[in-house]
Amino acid sequence: QITLKESGPTLVKPTQTLTLTCSFSGFSLSTTGVGVGWIRQPPGKALEWLALIYWDDSERYSPSLKSRLTITKDTSKNQVVLTMTNMDPVDTATYYCAHTALSPSRWFGPWGQGTLVTVSS
Amino acid sequence: DIVMTQSPDSLAVSLGERATINCKSSQSVLYSSNNKNYLAWYQQKPGQPPKLLIYWASTRESGVPARFSGSGSGTDFTLTISSLQAEDVAVYYCQQYYSTFLTFGGGTKVEIK
Repeated sequence: QITLKESGPTLVKPTQTLTLTCSFSGFSLSTTGVGVGWIRQPPGKALEWLALIYWDDSERYSPSLKSRLTITKDTSKNQVVLTMTNMDPVDTATYYCAHTALSPSRWFGPWGQGTLVTVSS
Repeated sequence: DIVMTQSPDSLAVSLGERATINCKSSQSVLYSSNNKNYLAWYQQKPGQPPKLLIYWASTRESGVPARFSGSGSGTDFTLTISSLQAEDVAVYYCQQYYSTFLTFGGGTKVEIK
């Protein structure tokens, strides 16, 4: 059974850097073809894909946020970390991590429960 | 980026009736070499994370009830709930995975009439 859980601060100040951790079980990020993605959802709004990392350390980023995002993995700990710099109130959202796979199978499932991050001074 | 546009934004359907949700992509997500449409559907119930329902536009994820079906090809897709149940109240999203840069639709809220 695959499970994922996001953790990190619930409140960050504008201009600060956000660091979120996705801890998972039921699969290994050393297995060929496996990936983990991050997706966010502002309150009452739609889903927005942020970043992906694969078993081979290859990374993909949303073009609109690429300059602010870094995704890394720690295979031994079964964790993926997302950092987002220069946080702004518009970045207030629930941040999800999800299991995915290498192209062409780049849908997401299952998902973590999500963590709400509020950006406010 | 491939823009995904869903319609309607919301719909209210009576229990047992059919619900139809549309998703249109700004460019084709049909990959000619394998004749597959790179489109997925998700269900998000209130207070919960999204759940994968369908991939390859029409393949149901394991455990998803048969009343959920996906159809369409190229740029136009449909998610149909053949007989709406109370537990189907949710927001539904489409997602394309044709492009390296993944994008979701704006969501369609399904309620009971």
